[in-house]
Amino acid sequence: KAGVTQTPRYLIKTRGQQVTLSCSPISGHRSVSWYQQTPGQGLQFLFEYFSETQRNKGNFPGRFSGRQFSNSRSEMNVSTLELGDSALYLCASSWAGLAGGLETQYFGPGTRLLVL
Amino acid sequence: DQQVKQNSPSLSVQEGRISILNCDYTNSMFDYFLWYKKYPAEGPTFLISISSIKDKNEDGRFTVFLNKSAKHLSLHIVPSQPGDSAVYFCAAIYSGGGADGLTFGKGTHLIIQP
Repeated sequence: KAGVTQTPRYLIKTRGQQVTLSCSPISGHRSVSWYQQTPGQGLQFLFEYFSETQRNKGNFPGRFSGRQFSNSRSEMNVSTLELGDSALYLCASSWAGLAGGLETQYFGPGTRLLVL
Repeated sequence: DQQVKQNSPSLSVQEGRISILNCDYTNSMFDYFLWYKKYPAEGPTFLISISSIKDKNEDGRFTVFLNKSAKHLSLHIVPSQPGDSAVYFCAAIYSGGGADGLTFGKGTHLIIQP
């Protein structure tokens, strides 16, 4: 069974640009959650999508947005990039998501974004 | 404001001894707790969890203890093995839902010395 895949794995952008990250969940999983990991703040929850609907959203500015497609693949977009957006962005997929069964939530390897 | 705190950024333990990783939380609504293990260049992987109705959960070499009154949980690894060297994250969630989703600590880097 293929794991959670994230593309691209590495990305360099400049301030003011926008970026789109992609996450393909494990087949059959309907929930995709996104997290930002930085040395200073650790892992922080961005949002969760379940069956194409945003079900939960963390405390991030509106520059951070996402969507989920009918095949459960998800994209995360960050507009008007700031230096502080440099981080490892992780997505995780599961069948039920934050509503239950977190033990079967699997993380992807992450996309490392560097903003110059 | 950090709702889940892991106050030890790193911990060094001799192989074969017990590793104890600590985690404190401030949000009394949290009712489910998980520990994750992360190797470099990989995403976190689930290790063990505990519900707030329990005070202990054991899975092989890993045991998690929960002290609700102190808002404290700990992960015990016995005996520690070289492959246990990784970053360990404590996470908490309120099963009734909320904007915080799954809230993580900043992690503790466990180093197992041969």
